[in-house]
Amino acid sequence: QLQLQESGPGLVKPSGTLSLTCTVSGGSISSSSYYWGWIRQPPGKGLEWIGTVYNSGRTYYNPSLNSRVTISVDTSKNHFSLKLSSVTAADTAMYYCASGSPGDGMDVWGQGTTVTVSS
Amino acid sequence: QTVLTQPPSASGTPGQRVTISCSGSSSNIGRNTVNWYQQLPGTAPKPLIDSNNQRPSGVPDRFSGSKSGTSASLAISGLQSEDEADYYCAAWDDSLNGYVFGTGTKVTVL
Repeated sequence: QLQLQESGPGLVKPSGTLSLTCTVSGGSISSSSYYWGWIRQPPGKGLEWIGTVYNSGRTYYNPSLNSRVTISVDTSKNHFSLKLSSVTAADTAMYYCASGSPGDGMDVWGQGTTVTVSS
Repeated sequence: QTVLTQPPSASGTPGQRVTISCSGSSSNIGRNTVNWYQQLPGTAPKPLIDSNNQRPSGVPDRFSGSKSGTSASLAISGLQSEDEADYYCAAWDDSLNGYVFGTGTKVTVL
């Protein structure tokens, strides 16, 4: 059964780069059966899709974050990563990684990791 | 910007039927399938309904989804106390070329 686990610094300074990793277990990140994505949730607010990467390498990003976000896959480590540059306090949120089958919704989620942007 | 609109709250007594609406447009719900997610307090979202009306394995059959035109609905029949949670609809948006979530609905069991 596929499982996902987020990891990374819980505190990032303003104007810095947020970097998170999602480790995949119970399946191969190279599989064409899955896509991989990131979602965030600011405190007390709703869910916001950040972006998705497919097995082909094709990426899709939220237009509101497009210029600051990069999602990549490391097949050697069976994980995928999120980088968000030029962060501000508005990027403080719970960050989730998730996966799904192409054409379907996200059916496996990590437990989430809290990231705070503060000096 | 808000793309999928849900009522902020809904409530019912145990055993009642509760319905949550999700209003979109021709570029999202009108063209693509709708997913629903349940987020229990302090936990990660979990899939509830896939492809408009398909329940993943393990989801009770008291949860059902439907879609008509540019709107979708989630129904909870026989409401139970453990259904108290936030519910989000979601769909791919062809204009934004991205996945969009609804504004979320908090369900309270009275």
